[in-house]
Formats: sequence, C-alpha cells, structure tokens
Amino acid sequence: DVKVTQSSRYLVKRTGEKVFLECVQDMDHENMFWYRQDPGLGLRLIYFSYDVKMKEKGDIPEGYSVSREKKERFSLILESASTNQTSMYLCASSSIRPTGYTFGSGTRLTVV
Amino acid sequence: GIQVEQSPPDLILQEGANSTLRCNFSDSVNNLQWFHQNPWGQLINLFYIPSGTKQNGRLSATTVATERYSLLYISSSQTTDSGVYFCAVGGSGGYQKVTFGTGTKLQVIP
Repeated sequence: DVKVTQSSRYLVKRTGEKVFLECVQDMDHENMFWYRQDPGLGLRLIYFSYDVKMKEKGDIPEGYSVSREKKERFSLILESASTNQTSMYLCASSSIRPTGYTFGSGTRLTVV
Repeated sequence: GIQVEQSPPDLILQEGANSTLRCNFSDSVNNLQWFHQNPWGQLINLFYIPSGTKQNGRLSATTVATERYSLLYISSSQTTDSGVYFCAVGGSGGYQKVTFGTGTKLQVIP
C-alpha cells in the first residue's frame, strides 16, 4: 500500500526551539507539499517542492523553511518555534501526471 | 488567486439518506480534487475530477468546468461517512498546487 509517512503524530516543543517535521513518500512522486490546518482557517500551503533541491513558497512561508535532499523526503523546519505555530501540519505528495494528492496522517504540534 | 466556496458548511443526515455537496470556484481550473477528512484527521483523496463525472461505489462527483462548480453526491449515507469534505482546486500555475475550500462538515446519525 502506497504511503506518505510523517515522523510524529504528536509533538510538544518549547518556544524558541528549532523543530524538524519529516515526511517520507514511497510513490516516487515528484511533488511534495506542506500544509497547516487551523480551525476557521482551513488548510493553507506553507511550501512545496517539485523536484530534489527545488522549493517554492506557498501562501504562508514566514517562520518556516524546507529541505528536500532526496526525492522521497521533504522536511519542514521551524527555525525558532513560536506559540502561533501550534497547529496540525499535513504533508502531501503527488505525481507530475494529473492525479490527486496523497496525504500523510498529520503531526499535531504544540508550542509551549 | 482562485477563490473556493463550499456549501453547505454543515450537514446532518439520517443514515441511509442521500446528499449533495457543492464547490464553486472563481476561475478556470485544471485540477480539482475532493477529499474526506475523518474524525482522526486523516485526509483521503476521493476524486481527481477537473471535468466530467466519476463514480466510486456510493460516491460520485461531477465537475462542470465551464460553469465553475463541482458536486459531490453521497448516496445511502453511513455513519462512517461522517467527517469534513474538502474541495481543492488548482489553476494553470503548474506543479498541481491547489487551494482548499473551507469544507462541509457532515454528521450521519444512526
């Protein structure tokens, strides 16, 4: 069964910490995406990547960076975590062919 | 960017009933997807349907791209259909980047 795997289901970090969220897909997909989901605001795109070492800003990139050193792995980095980054983070991947997204199960991050 | 509106925002159904969810969008699209988010937060892709009609079991979807809307039909609803249904659309920007609607929250009661 094809999968997108996010490294942690729940995560609690302290303000100011550097946080890494990892996402791995086994479908050889070219495109990978990071979204955050907040009540009342829906899903918002943070960053996406269309190839190894390539990245593009989404709608809310401030306070985040990403890394894609290998095709199957896309990491989201919170350089200095803040309480307003408490959220559900969702990773997705898709092929360059016209098909849909496959999502991971999400990481619920709490910054205290 | 493209605006996406979903209706209704909330829906309560008796088990066995049918329903129609609507997604309106503001511009031409080359990517339209329907998702179901279950109560545990997992998003499942139901359809990739930038145009035309598709069916999968009790679910079907129709997109009329020229009129900028898509419909998701749920027939003979079951309690496991509960959750939030999202429509996501993408334009000509490439890389299959999409914008999500705010969702329809469905509750199916026994």
